[in-house]
Amino acid sequence: DGGITQSPKYLFRKEGQNVTLSCEQNLNHDAMYWYRQDPGQGLRLIYYSQIVNDFQKGDIAEGYSVSREKKESFPLTVTSAQKNPTAFYLCASGRQGYIQPQHFGDGTRLSIL
Amino acid sequence: GQQVMQIPQYQHVQEGEDFTTYCNSSTTLSNIQWYKQRPGGHPVFLIQLVKSGEVKKQKRLTFQFGEAKKNSSLHITATQTTDVGTYFCAGYSGNTPLVFGKGTRLSVIA
Repeated sequence: DGGITQSPKYLFRKEGQNVTLSCEQNLNHDAMYWYRQDPGQGLRLIYYSQIVNDFQKGDIAEGYSVSREKKESFPLTVTSAQKNPTAFYLCASGRQGYIQPQHFGDGTRLSIL
Repeated sequence: GQQVMQIPQYQHVQEGEDFTTYCNSSTTLSNIQWYKQRPGGHPVFLIQLVKSGEVKKQKRLTFQFGEAKKNSSLHITATQTTDVGTYFCAGYSGNTPLVFGKGTRLSVIA
């Protein structure tokens, strides 16, 4: 079945630690996105990529980094510079063009120990 | 930058009552999309509207795009417990990614 796989489902981070969230899609989509979801805040865009080896900062990129070495993969690293990382992180993909509907993964819930 | 406001933030209804959520954009939109997120789940694309004044129906759900293409609404007739979740609108107005509203959380009391 085609879809988007995010792993792990739950992740715990110690203070000062970097962690990487995985996102893989087999939908052959060109575009991929990372969102952060906090209660009552909707979806806030962290980073996005329309093509391999190219990505742009979204509205809340500080403290995060990404790479897009393969079309299928768009991992997100939450660095120690992100002071409030506890949140639900959603990865999405879509066909080329921002106007295209997005397909979301099941999300990763990150918590601080 | 572009902003998309959604109201109400929460809505509690008795099963069988109707429900409406409204979406307003600070800029004219080329396209508006609606998504539903069930509790504990991820957003799922429902529909997109492109034309001024467009109305689309999916069973008990009616979606409208305003004449000025700056607002939209989602109306659910005779809500059921399966309608529970958060409904998001997302607007596209140019060469930038979709901008999501904060969503309306719907609770249905049986």
